[in-house]
Amino acid sequence: GAGVSQSPSNKVTEKGKDVELRCDPISGHTALYWYRQSLGQGLEFLIYFQGNSAPDKSGLPSDRFSAERTGGSVSTLTIQRTQQEDSAVYLCASSPRSSGRTDTQYFGPGTRLTVL
Amino acid sequence: GQQVMQIPQYQHVQEGEDFTTYCNSSTTLSNIQWYKQRPGGHPVFLIQLVKSGEVKKQKRLTFQFGEAKKNSSLHITATQTTDVGTYFCAGFSMDSSYKLIFGSGTRLLVRP
Repeated sequence: GAGVSQSPSNKVTEKGKDVELRCDPISGHTALYWYRQSLGQGLEFLIYFQGNSAPDKSGLPSDRFSAERTGGSVSTLTIQRTQQEDSAVYLCASSPRSSGRTDTQYFGPGTRLTVL
Repeated sequence: GQQVMQIPQYQHVQEGEDFTTYCNSSTTLSNIQWYKQRPGGHPVFLIQLVKSGEVKKQKRLTFQFGEAKKNSSLHITATQTTDVGTYFCAGFSMDSSYKLIFGSGTRLLVRP
């Protein structure tokens, strides 16, 4: 079946502009995660959605970052007034959340954001 | 907060040589997962270890979970050029059922 998809694959924007990144999780997966990966670095947790529960936003680096998940499926990560340090690959992952800690996360291809 | 550290950061080996990456957590983990990210790609799940002292093998890859459930290792026997990529460990802490903490990764380069 289809995996996690993300759009756009690449986004170049000017400093100060807002951007929206989209994630379509695997159908039926109730858990959705956003991560940020800077060049040559590990994965930084940003936000977690699970069903209709309140999201865990503890990883969002500033109030310029926000995310929503509509209808328990598609998610949008919004970055307002982008800064050059926001340049990174933004990865989305989903998991079936069928057994808690033993869930595997399935990653999308990522959106490479470049802020000029 | 919880930290997961991986060493080495980089490893450059000759094809056919063995490779090992080590993962250490500042806190006890409920389980640990390993992911591989090819250059330009996204992380792909390899395996999960749950039990203390657990050892699992996938062809030339051997994964171990420490007795104290605070460390783990991935060993690749006789590396091939297809093994090139960054290997990440990721663990769930005992107090979180959903937040995976990723290690910084070990980047493996293989000379043909």
